Amino acid sequence: DQQVKQNSPSLSVQEGRISILNCDYTNSMFDYFLWYKKYPAEGPTFLISISSIKDKNEDGRFTVFLNKSAKHLSLHIVPSQPGDSAVYFCAASEYNQGGKLIFGQGTELSVKP
Amino acid sequence: KAGVTQTPRYLIKTRGQQVTLSCSPISGHRSVSWYQQTPGQGLQFLFEYFSETQRNKGNFPGRFSGRQFSNSRSEMNVSTLELGDSALYLCASSLKQGRETQYFGPGTRLLVL
Repeated sequence: DQQVKQNSPSLSVQEGRISILNCDYTNSMFDYFLWYKKYPAEGPTFLISISSIKDKNEDGRFTVFLNKSAKHLSLHIVPSQPGDSAVYFCAASEYNQGGKLIFGQGTELSVKP
Repeated sequence: KAGVTQTPRYLIKTRGQQVTLSCSPISGHRSVSWYQQTPGQGLQFLFEYFSETQRNKGNFPGRFSGRQFSNSRSEMNVSTLELGDSALYLCASSLKQGRETQYFGPGTRLLVL
């Protein structure tokens, strides 16, 4: 049973436009969410996180939105750059589960010049 | 500050053998988590260590074990290797246990023949 789902395996966007990556979860006990990006032959790199007490968090070109009622979060990248091309993972954790992260399957973003 | 380092980077073993992977966390980080990444299952949590104690464990068989040393370095061991253990094994470190950003190493690519 996949508790964190990223239903789009891939996404292609033009440079300068907005990239929107989506993530759905089923476990209502999740209260902390993170996005990581991963280049080939490297480990995941932390991008941005959000606690369930918020519905939005921004860091430069990256914004994460959380809709708790829909159990949905999204990552917006504006403007998209070719260097953003990577696999993006959504992850979630429960308060009483310490550092245990549950990851989605990832979305491969391709930003074309 | 140096990032998370993992050794070896690549490893080839045969079924039935055992393997030990090593992880050195970022200086000052005291918590280490391990994840397995496979094409079919994605990124899955193995275990989390803090202060030389296992704090959390994922749904993996007892063949998978780990430990943490007093300098926060960690090792994981897989005994009686199976073909399905072929994967990228990722180590992540954080300042302390629980709701902290995890920083990942580049991983160890294990191939079981």
